Amino acid sequence: GAVVSQHPSRVICKSGTSVKIECRSLDFQATTMFWYRQFPKQSLMLMATSNEGSKATYEQGVEKDKFLINHASLTLSTLTVTSAHPEDSSFYICSAPRGGTGNTIYFGEGSWLTVV
Amino acid sequence: QQQVKQSPQSLIVQKGGISIINCAYENTAFDYFPWYQQFPGKGPALLIAIRPDVSEKKEGRFTISFNKSAKQFSLHIMDSQPGDSATYFCAASDRGSTLGRLYFGRGTQLTVWP
Repeated sequence: GAVVSQHPSRVICKSGTSVKIECRSLDFQATTMFWYRQFPKQSLMLMATSNEGSKATYEQGVEKDKFLINHASLTLSTLTVTSAHPEDSSFYICSAPRGGTGNTIYFGEGSWLTVV
Repeated sequence: QQQVKQSPQSLIVQKGGISIINCAYENTAFDYFPWYQQFPGKGPALLIAIRPDVSEKKEGRFTISFNKSAKQFSLHIMDSQPGDSATYFCAASDRGSTLGRLYFGRGTQLTVWP
């Protein structure tokens, strides 16, 4: 079964609105989670590292004010796309390492965002 | 700069054949090398992973071969089946620096013909 859960799996929002995507680690705690973005037929692009109890670390070129990340607990990280525009439409995926030394890294099922 | 280079970009194999995907890396600090399988519209699913202290790991029809001196690793899918048709990503991680941060290859789209 899934060890990392993402919600919603699909969301459509109007341009200018904000949308929140949740990533939960199931039956394990994750002090760190990762958010990726994937365009069709392309590889995963790391957007940011979500750190429990502290600020997220963003990759170069990723707007931190647009993609708000909150890691409020050891099992939940959220990505909020603020003032969404059509170019933000994409597949967003989170991951979390499980195990004392990051033994295994699991991914969520992904969230399709369509901005109309 | 691509930390992990993957080839081929696409691969077509007949049912029952062997699918081979290759990856290479430069960072000698990498110490975890997973392979992920991704179906359209789904998140990547962990297929098999290896650490640099072994040269080969086999799980069912899937085998990773690892060459530490050449800084290369490959995925072999034996007796390939149409259900294996998916995109495969190799990745690498340096667990000593950022725990869980993965560097991905560009992916290989595998098609297995019946």
